[in-house]
Amino acid sequence: ILNVEQSPQSLHVQEGDSTNFTCSFPSSNFYALHWYRWETAKSPEALFVMTLNGDEKKKGRISATLNTKEGYSYLYIKGSQPEDSATYLCALRAGGGADGLTFGKGTHLIIQP
Amino acid sequence: DSGVTQTPKHLITATGQRVTLRCSPRSGDLSVYWYQQSLDQGLQFLIQYYNGEERAKGNILERFSAQQFPDLHSELNLSSLELGDSALYFCASSVSYNSPLHFGNGTRLTVT
Repeated sequence: ILNVEQSPQSLHVQEGDSTNFTCSFPSSNFYALHWYRWETAKSPEALFVMTLNGDEKKKGRISATLNTKEGYSYLYIKGSQPEDSATYLCALRAGGGADGLTFGKGTHLIIQP
Repeated sequence: DSGVTQTPKHLITATGQRVTLRCSPRSGDLSVYWYQQSLDQGLQFLIQYYNGEERAKGNILERFSAQQFPDLHSELNLSSLELGDSALYFCASSVSYNSPLHFGNGTRLTVT
């Protein structure tokens, strides 16, 4: 069973501030790292799929970086807005792609106006 | 709308019973995944199918089974239900290993 850790578990951020959180994973047998955003009463929605060491992806005010050698990924949100409040999940695919997608427990982000 | 359809939305049943959850993937997606989300737990991977064949297995109990049919829809069968099986069950689909997952709205199962 793969161990995908996310920190912090929850985060309160003032509107307008920037923030970031971490996803840690075993670096051996890496295939891909996914980020999802999960709003209350909805289903998870994909943000990024990252496969290469050093990869950086950006979508609006949200960006992510990947370090496969040391086994971590950062998600950054610039200028947080109330609509950014959600749980952010990372998920690891290992085993050369043959394994399923293993999710972390998520970082619950609350943006305070 | 993700394009992934799960039925039913809610299911209430008694311990010892058997239920079937159904999932229709997004058009064109060959892979189907099943996840369980219990209270205070994250998304627990159960099983993945690709074009009708089992591709990967996670923490799926022996009382649970799944299959993917030729039309690519999938069913998750849960039998000898226990109180602890109460959870939100998600189905997701994707085109390939490097593609993101698209999630359905989930089936909330309550075992009484």
